[in-house]
Amino acid sequence: SSELTQDPAVSVALGQTVKITCQGDSLRNYYATWYQQKPGQAPVLVIYGKNNRPSGIPDRFSGSSSGNTASLTITGAQAEDEADYYCNSRDNSANYEYVVFGGGTKLTVL
Amino acid sequence: EVQLVESGGGLVQPGGSLRLSCAASGFTFTTFEMNWVRQAPGKGLEWVSHISSTGHTIYYSDSVKGRFTVSRDNAKNSLYLQINSLRAEDTAIYYCARCIGDMATNDYWGQGTLVTVSS
Repeated sequence: SSELTQDPAVSVALGQTVKITCQGDSLRNYYATWYQQKPGQAPVLVIYGKNNRPSGIPDRFSGSSSGNTASLTITGAQAEDEADYYCNSRDNSANYEYVVFGGGTKLTVL
Repeated sequence: EVQLVESGGGLVQPGGSLRLSCAASGFTFTTFEMNWVRQAPGKGLEWVSHISSTGHTIYYSDSVKGRFTVSRDNAKNSLYLQINSLRAEDTAIYYCARCIGDMATNDYWGQGTLVTVSS
């Protein structure tokens, strides 16, 4: 099965912009989906499809993709954005569908 | 309000079995595909299984194939995960999640149920 690779940790100064990346072969064919997870909580969907935000997700969150790399950008990071961020995508092998997650990126807001 | 509530977790010995349940409410359960996703303590998210809205199409991760069985009862708005031949590495919080768009996009998640495999 395929893999998605994320940097384990990223930091950003309060109010600055940060890009979290996700690399993998599946991203050449499928969009990445991004989730935010805070300690002790279930994941929350933040970006899906080309660049779609669910209701309630601030517009400082945006997504993009190029080749085998997808990115989640937070423009003007806030203290409450400190969390783990996971990407995932669908993929298939021999007509069998599956979902793959990245290892997650711990975002620290300084 | 969309709600997903998992239950059925607990402490089980290696080789044992459990049946996890996920009760759905606040939406038309019969029209949504569903996933099970797990998270080992201190680790990342791992997709476990996917089931179509009718239950006719099912997929599993390689790590659980042959040991786990996903099912749903649309009349009861419920999703299930039968987990057999449990191993220590199956210890995790198990989440059910609603799919939108494609099987990788989960817009609502339950709070999870903890499965601990230990002797």
